[in-house]
Amino acid sequence: KAGVTQTPRYLIKTRGQQVTLSCSPISGHRSVSWYQQTPGQGLQFLFEYFSETQRNKGNFPGRFSGRQFSNSRSEMNVSTLELGDSALYLCASSLGDRPNTGELFFGEGSRLTVL
Amino acid sequence: GNSVTQMEGPVTLSEEAFLTINCTYTATGYPSLFWYVQYPGEGLQLLLKATKADDKGSNKGFEATYRKETTSFHLEKGSVQVSDSAVYFCALIDDGGSGGSNYKLTFGKGTLLTVNP
Repeated sequence: KAGVTQTPRYLIKTRGQQVTLSCSPISGHRSVSWYQQTPGQGLQFLFEYFSETQRNKGNFPGRFSGRQFSNSRSEMNVSTLELGDSALYLCASSLGDRPNTGELFFGEGSRLTVL
Repeated sequence: GNSVTQMEGPVTLSEEAFLTINCTYTATGYPSLFWYVQYPGEGLQLLLKATKADDKGSNKGFEATYRKETTSFHLEKGSVQVSDSAVYFCALIDDGGSGGSNYKLTFGKGTLLTVNP
């Protein structure tokens, strides 16, 4: 079956703009998590959505937001972009059952460059 | 809170050499432990996992044993190949004492492995 699909794969924005990234999970997966990957900080958890509700949240400012649709597809939005937001944004899906098994399926990521 | 510390890279080995990547963790509950691998240009994929103390996870010749007494989960492979060149991430999942409401994966910073022919 198809894997996790993220779009766009690459994008360039300027400071102050906003960006929306999209993620389509594996069919049947109801949980979508987002991570930011940078060389300095590694992988940092942004948030998790399950059945259209945010179930878990990391320590990022309110400029970072997300949502999930009824078909489990998810989007994340970053407003008022800063240079430090340049990163690879990874989406991961899972069945979403509790307790969480920790077995996530990752997309290839969206690489954001902020100039 | 939870944290994962893994050895700094990069690690460069010759083909057929023995690999160890160290990983230690701090957790408030009883975590499950994982190794994920990221090949160049790809997303992360699960390599192996262990869910309780003394469990050994294994896959593709890689092994790691859950050591509660030393809070460690070191990754080993007896004979690496060029195709093993990738970034390896140690990770844990734990509810952080929240009673099941706050599960999330916590990752180490990753170790870049380069295997030369």
